[in-house]
Amino acid sequence: AQSVTQLGSHVSVSEGALVLLRCNYSSSVPPYLFWYVQYPNQGLQLLLKYTSAATLVKGINGFEAEFKKSETSFHLTKPSAHMSDAAEYFCAVTPGFGNEKLTFGTGTRLTIIP
Amino acid sequence: DAGVTQSPTHLIKTRGQQVTLRCSPKSGHDTVSWYQQALGQGPQFIFQYYEEEERQRGNFPDRFSGHQFPNYSSELNVNALLLGDSALYLCASSSDRGSGANVLTFGAGSRLTVL
Repeated sequence: AQSVTQLGSHVSVSEGALVLLRCNYSSSVPPYLFWYVQYPNQGLQLLLKYTSAATLVKGINGFEAEFKKSETSFHLTKPSAHMSDAAEYFCAVTPGFGNEKLTFGTGTRLTIIP
Repeated sequence: DAGVTQSPTHLIKTRGQQVTLRCSPKSGHDTVSWYQQALGQGPQFIFQYYEEEERQRGNFPDRFSGHQFPNYSSELNVNALLLGDSALYLCASSSDRGSGANVLTFGAGSRLTVL
């Protein structure tokens, strides 16, 4: 079975500051990991995915995440926050290629302080 | 290029009623998955359809059923509605072919309120 834990249901950062959203996973097999973003009244949009290639994954809108097997982590970062980054962020895991049954975390709401 | 479209966007039902939600996948996609997102929670997998068959199912009761049509569109049916079924229902489509595997495109959802 797979699961993800997102630490911090709410995170606030100042505009221009580093964004760090935490995700730890549990998986009995090598996982595929994802970060999705959800803006108000919209569906989920894929930010980036890890599929066992490079451990540092770059995504859209300047976000990136690093897969650390020793720490079972897949934290999302962005060097400089923009007001438009305010949204809900979800980490998700699947057991591997071809399996699209995503298990999501409970989400982290990111607020940007002007 | 239209993405995933869902209808209706909002609906209100009463306990015990039945509801049908509809989804048209992104052009070129042949697989449809449904997720339930309760308020303040992450989405939970309901089931997935491919080639008009249910391929995977999450931990949801039989009150939740679905269908996929030859044009790849899909319906989610929920019978005997409970208050706890109130949620945003998300449809996601994907392609079984090539590098797009595992990448889901989500619709904006259908928000169901059960009174």
